[in-house]
Amino acid sequence: KAGVTQTPRYLIKTRGQQVTLSCSPISGHRSVSWYQQTPGQGLQFLFEYFSETQRNKGNFPGRFSGRQFSNSRSEMNVSTLELGDSALYLCASSSTGTDNTEAFFGQGTRLTVV
Amino acid sequence: GEDVEQSLFLSVREGDSSVINCTYTDSSSTYLYWYKQEPGAGLQLLTYIFSNMDMKQDQRLTVLLNKKDKHLSLRIADTQTGDSAIYFCAERTSGSARQLTFGSGTQLTVLP
Repeated sequence: KAGVTQTPRYLIKTRGQQVTLSCSPISGHRSVSWYQQTPGQGLQFLFEYFSETQRNKGNFPGRFSGRQFSNSRSEMNVSTLELGDSALYLCASSSTGTDNTEAFFGQGTRLTVV
Repeated sequence: GEDVEQSLFLSVREGDSSVINCTYTDSSSTYLYWYKQEPGAGLQLLTYIFSNMDMKQDQRLTVLLNKKDKHLSLRIADTQTGDSAIYFCAERTSGSARQLTFGSGTQLTVLP
């Protein structure tokens, strides 16, 4: 069974540009969550999508957005990139039921803003 | 609000037991997790415990939960050099949202 796949693994962008990251969850999983990991702030929750709907959102500016497709694949977009957006972006995949406990993470996308 | 705290560093000798500690503040936490992160990699789910349990054992891993003190620990028996990594504890509160709140991570170094 394939794990969570994030693409691309590495990205270098210039300040002011925008970027789109992709996450394909484990087959059958319908919940995808996104996290930002930086040395200063640690792991912070961005948002969660379930059945193409944003179900929860963390405390990030509106430049950070996401969406989920009918096949459960998710994308997140960051517009008007700032140097501080440089981070490892991780997505997590969970099964459908609210009783389900496990969240499985991908390898992440390392974004560098120059 | 939610807050999860961990000590930053732990060093142990190969073959010894490691104990990584974590405290949390949200009394409505339902599940508590331990993840492992190796350099350049994502997060690997090691184990989790439901808040109505006080202990869970899984091979070399033992999780202890003291709900009264909001204290969680991960014990790794017979620690190996391959266990060197950053270990994160995380909590999830009740409800349908899948938001995890993570601690800052504990860097475990296993010395030969």
